[in-house]
Amino acid sequence: AQSVAQPEDQVNVAEGNPLTVKCTYSVSGNPYLFWYVQYPNRGLQFLLKYITGDNLVKGSYGFEAEFNKSQTSFHLKKPSALVSDSALYFCAVRDGAAGNKLTFGGGTRVLVKP
Amino acid sequence: NAGVMQNPRHLVRRRGQEARLRCSPMKGHSHVYWYRQLPEEGLKFMVYLQKENIIDESGMPKERFSAEFPKEGPSILRIQQVVRGDSAAYFCASSHLDGPNTEAFFGQGTRLTVV
Repeated sequence: AQSVAQPEDQVNVAEGNPLTVKCTYSVSGNPYLFWYVQYPNRGLQFLLKYITGDNLVKGSYGFEAEFNKSQTSFHLKKPSALVSDSALYFCAVRDGAAGNKLTFGGGTRVLVKP
Repeated sequence: NAGVMQNPRHLVRRRGQEARLRCSPMKGHSHVYWYRQLPEEGLKFMVYLQKENIIDESGMPKERFSAEFPKEGPSILRIQQVVRGDSAAYFCASSHLDGPNTEAFFGQGTRLTVV
């Protein structure tokens, strides 16, 4: 069975400071990892994905994520946070051996203060 | 190219009524996924469909819930005899391929309130 853990319910950061949102996963096959962002009363917007290759993946709005196989982690990062980055962030995984079902973490609320 | 369209955006039903949620995937997408999100929680997988086929319904409650994706028209998530616990946001996503490395694009959701 595949699972995703986002250990922090909320992350607070000052505008201009680096932002990190943590994610760890568990799969039996090859992991396919995704980050999505959700703004209030909206659907999820795709940010980036890791399939294979470089462990550092660059995505939309200046976000990037680092895949670490030994730690089974896929943390989301942004070097300089903006107030407009305040939202709910979800990490998700597909198990390459278990079909197309996306399994989501519980979400991390990011609050960027001016 | 319009995104994934869900309607209605908000739906209020009394206990015991039926709820029908519609999802039109992005143009060219033939794979549809339904997810449920309870307040302040993550998304829980419900069902994965391709045209006229249910591929994975492992997340669907055994009773009262059904889904379809006909050859023509939108995908429908149907909840019969709704109860208060069905109140949630229901999201539909679509993709154009069925590989695990394909990102899914989400609609804005239908917020169901059972009174």
